Amino acid sequence: AQSVAQPEDQVNVAEGNPLTVKCTYSVSGNPYLFWYVQYPNRGLQFLLKYITGDNLVKGSYGFEAEFNKSQTSFHLKKPSALVSDSALYFCAVRDVAFNAGNMLTFGGGTRLMVKP
Amino acid sequence: DTGVSQDPRHKITKRGQNVTFRCDPISEHNRLYWYRQTLGQGPEFLTYFQNEAQLEKSRLLSDRFSAERPKGSFSTLEIQRTEQGDSAMYLCASSLYRARQETQYFGPGTRLLVL
Repeated sequence: AQSVAQPEDQVNVAEGNPLTVKCTYSVSGNPYLFWYVQYPNRGLQFLLKYITGDNLVKGSYGFEAEFNKSQTSFHLKKPSALVSDSALYFCAVRDVAFNAGNMLTFGGGTRLMVKP
Repeated sequence: DTGVSQDPRHKITKRGQNVTFRCDPISEHNRLYWYRQTLGQGPEFLTYFQNEAQLEKSRLLSDRFSAERPKGSFSTLEIQRTEQGDSAMYLCASSLYRARQETQYFGPGTRLLVL
């Protein structure tokens, strides 16, 4: 079975400071990893994904994430936070083992609050 | 560029009534997924289609739930005899599946409230 943990319900950061939103995962095979962002009363917007290759993945709006296989982590980062980054962030995993299914399994979400 | 659309955006119904939601995927996307999201939680997988075939269903999908994608384009999700526990956001996503790789793009969701 695949699972995702986002250990922080909320992350607070001042505008202009770097931000990190943490994600760890568990799969039986190899992972495909994703980050999505959700604004109030909206669906999920795709930010970035890791499939294979370079462990540092760059995505939309200046976000990036680093895949660390030994720590089973995929933390989301941004060098300089904006107030408009305030939203709910979800990490998701898909296990690409042969019999693992095709669905995404999501973490519980982390609310990012960027203060001016 | 037209994204995933869902209709209605909001639905209020009384317990015991049937409801149906529609999802229109991104054009030419061959896969379509349904997820349910309750307040304060991440989305949970319900079912998915590849073209018109329903390939996988979650144990969350009780007998009261049925989904169709008759022509491999839009999909409907019906809930019969709704219960208060069905209150949630129902999210649809579509993807173009090639060589085991895909990115799911989500619609705005349908928020269901069962009174």
